[in-house]
Amino acid sequence: GQQLNQSPQSMFIQEGEDVSMNCTSSSIFNTWLWYKQDPGEGPVLLIALYKAGELTSNGRLTAQFGITRKDSFLNISASIPSDVGIYFCAGRGSYGQNFVFGPGTRLSVLP
Amino acid sequence: DTGVSQNPRHKITKRGQNVTFRCDPISEHNRLYWYRQTLGQGPEFLTYFQNEAQLEKSRLLSDRFSAERPKGSFSTLEIQRTEQGDSAMYLCASSWRGTNEKLFFGSGTQLSVL
Repeated sequence: GQQLNQSPQSMFIQEGEDVSMNCTSSSIFNTWLWYKQDPGEGPVLLIALYKAGELTSNGRLTAQFGITRKDSFLNISASIPSDVGIYFCAGRGSYGQNFVFGPGTRLSVLP
Repeated sequence: DTGVSQNPRHKITKRGQNVTFRCDPISEHNRLYWYRQTLGQGPEFLTYFQNEAQLEKSRLLSDRFSAERPKGSFSTLEIQRTEQGDSAMYLCASSWRGTNEKLFFGSGTQLSVL
């Protein structure tokens, strides 16, 4: 079945630094979704991507749909303490399929 | 729009008991998904509905698990004869079917099987 990998698995950064993380698939996807999850809560949708090469921003967050359609990237600029959490990518290969999730990237922001 | 609502938020049960969880999706959404998440992992797909039809079930979903969405609105997920391995966060998400589909999650139900 479809599998997603996320890199890095975890990262520690200083407040104010920029962050980059990525998600790769073993197969072609037509939709990528990026989520943030806080402990004990459900994932919150950050950005949705639907076309290869698409670049979409949401405040300090920017995500891109890779041109190979097998990867996606999330960047966070000027990190702040509330960015702490686990970031998940999710994707699907066709409109009738369910969404598959990656294992997550755990972000820690040091003051 | 009050978002996706899940009840209860927490459930503690003894092994062998049956449990049922409820999900109320965003009102205009016609798709409803159930996922399971264990500590340190991403959500794993269990099943999804389009209106009242259950369109897909994961092989992870044993015959002890059953989900319904009788009128195409709220959904229930029942686990019979619970096992300790069923302990997890059960997440519900809803969406509007289309090419630009996006999932909106509830806060989840945390199940602990003792």
